[in-house]
Formats: sequence, C-alpha cells, structure tokens
Amino acid sequence: DSGVTQTPKHLITATGQRVTLRCSPRSGDLSVYWYQQSLDQGLQFLIQYYNGEERAKGNILERFSAQQFPDLHSELNLSSLELGDSALYFCASSPPLENTEAFFGQGTRLTVV
Amino acid sequence: DAKTTQPTSMDCAEGRAANLPCNHSTISGNEYVYWYRQIHSQGPQYIIHGLKNNETNEMASLIITEDRKSSTLILPHATLRDTAVYYCIVRLPQGAQKLVFGQGTRLTINP
Repeated sequence: DSGVTQTPKHLITATGQRVTLRCSPRSGDLSVYWYQQSLDQGLQFLIQYYNGEERAKGNILERFSAQQFPDLHSELNLSSLELGDSALYFCASSPPLENTEAFFGQGTRLTVV
Repeated sequence: DAKTTQPTSMDCAEGRAANLPCNHSTISGNEYVYWYRQIHSQGPQYIIHGLKNNETNEMASLIITEDRKSSTLILPHATLRDTAVYYCIVRLPQGAQKLVFGQGTRLTINP
C-alpha cells in the first residue's frame, strides 16, 4: 500500500459525459501528479500540483482540468468524454524533499462507451 | 530531462539474476537515475535510485558506469512476481520533480 488513495477504482460512462477522479495523497506530501495510461501505452504525464498551485503541465487536453484543494487532495475533471479517453488514470504524490521517490495510487480505470 | 533508451523486452529464468540495461548518454552532472516498475496495470512502484555510486537495497542493485552514460538494474534472484515493465528515468534531485516515463523494458520471468 503506497498510501495514495484513488477513487473510484472503476468508472464506466458514456461519450459526451463528464467525470471526476479523486486522489488523496500520502500524509505530508505536497505534490500531486496525474498520469494517463491508454491500453498498451506508456505513462503520459498530465499535470502536477504543489501545495494548491499548478507546478507543471504535460500533454493534458483542454477538456481535462485538475485542481488541488487546501487539504491537498486533488481532483481530475474529464469532460466531453470520447472513446479515446478510455484509460487508466494514475495519481502520485511526493514529499517536499530533495531526491525522494513518488508514490503512486492504484489508478482509476475509465471506460467510455 | 535526459532521454533514456531501454530494450523493449527481456526474458529471464526464475531464480537467475535479471540484468536490465539503460542508456542515458545525455545525462547531466546533477541528474539522478531512478528505476520504477509497473506490474500489470498496477501503479508504478519505486525500486532504487543513484547518482554515480553503485546502490543496493532489499529489492535490487543499481550499477552506474563511471562515465554515467549507462546503468544496469540487477534483480539478483528473479521470481515470477518480478514480471513487470521496468522504467529507467533520469531526473534532477530537486523535490517535486515530475517523472517522465519512456516505454520501459517488459521483463518476463519464466519458470
């Protein structure tokens, strides 16, 4: 158990809909990262938040947005969903220290039908 | 971040040492080499990291060449549960740095 909690574990929704994925980081970790992994694809970095502020942005679509709340949990919002958005979405967190590893949650499997 | 190159796939017999190579010829002086693995759609798991000295922990050993242009992750006695995709990542030591994953090496441990 990495200490990072993602909910829900599975989500099935229709095209055009909007969903929210939630991530609770490890206690004390200020950074939250979101990754997308499509079927048989690598892990694509989407976005990072640090203590409530956006820190880095990757290949995140305009239909996707994220935020980190004062209690440090984060949400990834996916809207106008398309079939191609079906993927595993991972959240990771890391402490505000040099040279430490990131800890990943078990992911949310999103299926768009 | 420096780019890394890894073989697409490797096989290893159970009980033998698995040696996974990684090239990172453009690594800069203060960048570290990190290894993660992902077991069948689970969240990636940290294995080990190092700067220039060889490192060992309960999971693996990391051998970094003197010129730091390549490294090898060693799983000393591979088990079936070590079957996974292994990612070699180069990153700066500063805290809160995002990880950029390549395609990794798919390691299959055979009975």
